[in-house]
Amino acid sequence: DTGVSQDPRHKITKRGQNVTFRCDPISEHNRLYWYRQTLGQGPEFLTYFQNEAQLEKSRLLSDRFSAERPKGSFSTLEIQRTEQGDSAMYLCASSLREKKTQYFGPGTRLLVL
Amino acid sequence: KQEVTQIPAALSVPEGENLVLNCSFTDSAIYNLQWFRQDPGKGLTSLLLIQSSQREQTSGRLNASLDKSSGRSTLYIAASQPGDSATYLCAVDSGNTPLVFGKGTRLSVIA
Repeated sequence: DTGVSQDPRHKITKRGQNVTFRCDPISEHNRLYWYRQTLGQGPEFLTYFQNEAQLEKSRLLSDRFSAERPKGSFSTLEIQRTEQGDSAMYLCASSLREKKTQYFGPGTRLLVL
Repeated sequence: KQEVTQIPAALSVPEGENLVLNCSFTDSAIYNLQWFRQDPGKGLTSLLLIQSSQREQTSGRLNASLDKSSGRSTLYIAASQPGDSATYLCAVDSGNTPLVFGKGTRLSVIA
């Protein structure tokens, strides 16, 4: 068990470009969550999956954001036509099932210039 | 809508001092409450999880209490050390919903 991993750890992009982040959860965890954290704030929920099904999306997740979890293993979060306001830390977490401890990855820090 | 507040926003203490961090939440219908630690630019490390039926949890120098009816939790850190310097986040799990976080308390322990 190597914990939750995220790739890349850092991403700098120009406004208007598309970016994709990957999250590998702890094996056998069927729940996977995406959060966004801006400076001085706590993480805010974006979306979550139970196995391959996306069960809930926050209103923060605009049409430019899409997330997938094919085969119920790793997940990707894509942001299209990035804006400067998308600059943040994107955190992934997994849990064995609902109501259980969520384990967080190291995050992907995005900077949109 | 669940809201989580953490007080104080920042705290600076000398090494060796005992300290208390506070967390309050508006909806007492929770399943559990979790305390996390976050170092600058890093992800979150889970410290303690308290189930709604529990009153407290302990891990080493850390003790977290939960008063569900009043919507409060405290994190007690004994004999603080410079290595405890970090941001501490409180998060509430209301069941089949994602975690709702406070903004955190930024702790500095001065040697």
